[in-house]
Amino acid sequence: GDSVTQMEGPVTLSEEAFLTINCTYTATGYPSLFWYVQYPGEGLQLLLKATKADDKGSNKGFEATYRKETTSFHLEKGSVQVSDSAVYFCALEPSKAAGNKLTFGGGTRVLVKP
Amino acid sequence: GAVVSQHPSRVICKSGTSVKIECRSLDFQATTMFWYRQFPKQSLMLMATSNEGSKATYEQGVEKDKFLINHASLTLSTLTVTSAHPEDSSFYICRVQGPGETQYFGPGTRLLVL
Repeated sequence: GDSVTQMEGPVTLSEEAFLTINCTYTATGYPSLFWYVQYPGEGLQLLLKATKADDKGSNKGFEATYRKETTSFHLEKGSVQVSDSAVYFCALEPSKAAGNKLTFGGGTRVLVKP
Repeated sequence: GAVVSQHPSRVICKSGTSVKIECRSLDFQATTMFWYRQFPKQSLMLMATSNEGSKATYEQGVEKDKFLINHASLTLSTLTVTSAHPEDSSFYICRVQGPGETQYFGPGTRLLVL
């Protein structure tokens, strides 16, 4: 079945450091890919998405490129801030016919220190 | 502000009792809501899809008589954990499909069964 694998955390960084969170997936067909972020005490929020190969999703300084050849959707940010401390989830949606069933990775906790 | 709320945010109960968790869509009507559970340091696992006015669709391996779902109105879905046991302790999260297929997550309910 479909699956998403992302690097385990926690990832601890200093402010202004470069952040990469690796995400790879297994799916049939052409899934849509997502990154969600969960700030402390809040629900998951969509951070960015890409719906086809070579698409780049971007938001709030974060970027991720849909790489079908490597089945990856790595999340990057060039200069993190303390406010980026959160748990990040990579997810895929296999197809619209699947009824919007999102499959999530295990989440990566990121802690940015001043 | 919050688009989806969950109540309670955390609950502690004795083994053998039943616990009801509510998920409310605050800003729009939702015909479909999803229920997930999350174990510590693990991914979100889809439990069931809640459809307003019809029976919920459960994922393989999820006991429908154990986890009762009622989508009573277009803004409310409830998950009742019946005869809870310690192994049911988990973080339960609802997801609501909003306008334009935007996905909104509740902040989650932490259940601890003693």
